[in-house]
Amino acid sequence: GAGVSQTPSNKVTEKGKYVELRCDPISGHTALYWYRQSLGQGPEFLIYFQGTGAADDSGLPNDRFFAVRPEGSVSTLKIQRTERGDSAVYLCASSLTKGTPSGNTIYFGEGSWLTVV
Amino acid sequence: SQQGEEDPQALSIQEGENATMNCSYKTSINNLQWYRQNSGRGLVHLILIRSNEREKHSGRLRVTLDTSKKSSSLLITASRAADTASYFCATVPSGTYKYIFGTGTRLKVLA
Repeated sequence: GAGVSQTPSNKVTEKGKYVELRCDPISGHTALYWYRQSLGQGPEFLIYFQGTGAADDSGLPNDRFFAVRPEGSVSTLKIQRTERGDSAVYLCASSLTKGTPSGNTIYFGEGSWLTVV
Repeated sequence: SQQGEEDPQALSIQEGENATMNCSYKTSINNLQWYRQNSGRGLVHLILIRSNEREKHSGRLRVTLDTSKKSSSLLITASRAADTASYFCATVPSGTYKYIFGTGTRLKVLA
């Protein structure tokens, strides 16, 4: 596609429910990132995929959070037993190749705003 | 945890004035990038500066990097009301591939 696409754009869910957020990266981009951003804060790194594998999942806050990218394209961020503190904008980004010392630009989607009530 | 901080946290200027915001970071890096965000949604890439570069220009943007001080600055010249947004720096710590964002500067340009 022309840009990174994220669905849903907004999601309201009840505490304790399961949520899936989808990211469709730019076609041909092998690197995919998930970030979480709370109001007034910068994006917080969650997980990075290179192809199908999670190359760095050090930012996932706990085992309620999980992400997959089974075919190396679309990715799904899964949150189990949601808590009110999970409310945030979840941003997905992709880039053509993994970061190198010369640098690659990462392109962000518009985000999925999750509200847990 | 976030890599660094932007300074100031908020900045309000008149249209036509220059806006300067600073970013500090903690570890050695491969490169540093500046992003802009409107209304808390998607971030837009502005400019990338590599660790071996000291200054870079793009249109009305000027970025400097001082790796000895672990800091960078973004200058927007002749600001416009449309420049109103939040601005973030992002670094790639050496040995990693993840982009770490600072806390952001909220810029307001008054017409």
